[in-house]
Amino acid sequence: EPEVTQTPSHQVTQMGQEVILRCVPISNHLYFYWYRQILGQKVEFLVSFYNNEISEKSEIFDDQFSVERPDGSNFTLKIRSTKLEDSAMYFCASRTGIGAEQYFGPGTRLTVT
Amino acid sequence: AQSVTQPDIHITVSEGASLELRCNYSYGATPYLFWYVQSPGQGLQLLLKYFSGDTLVQGIKGFEAEFKRSQSSFNLRKPSVHWSDAAEYFCAVARYNNNDMRFGAGTRLTVKP
Repeated sequence: EPEVTQTPSHQVTQMGQEVILRCVPISNHLYFYWYRQILGQKVEFLVSFYNNEISEKSEIFDDQFSVERPDGSNFTLKIRSTKLEDSAMYFCASRTGIGAEQYFGPGTRLTVT
Repeated sequence: AQSVTQPDIHITVSEGASLELRCNYSYGATPYLFWYVQSPGQGLQLLLKYFSGDTLVQGIKGFEAEFKRSQSSFNLRKPSVHWSDAAEYFCAVARYNNNDMRFGAGTRLTVKP
């Protein structure tokens, strides 16, 4: 069964450094998402992406964040200058079309020291 | 914007007992509703979803949920809990286009032997 994959599974970085989290959505999916989950807290929506542009974003998704679909398969989340509070699990998700369910990847745990 | 409330942070049930996890949503129109399960250190697995039609939906692992518009609720039920059901359960709501899913804070389920 097709699945969303994410790399790396765990990323450790120093405060102020840039990180790129990578996702490979399911191949025929058209809508892509990033969510984050700070340890012990709920899953929070960050951004949705369709047709090579951001369609919606939350108040969390500020200028430090950006997303890109650099080729036909990858979907990336970049954090420009990481802060301690960016430490969280980041989930990528994708779906085929409007109304379809979102499929989640296993997540990347980001630790900022 | 849509929102979700899960009133119970932690529930403990005995193995074999029935289970009901509560979820209340806030959204002006007919929402898309979901229940996800997350085991420790794992990603999110979809248990079931409601988009339209029959208000009682069946999911995987013997779970079901009932959409009650009058109560703005989408409670998750299971008639007989197994030890392997111990996990965190998240209710989520999305707008008609399912583009930005909002999660509840989660309910942690502990199963006593």
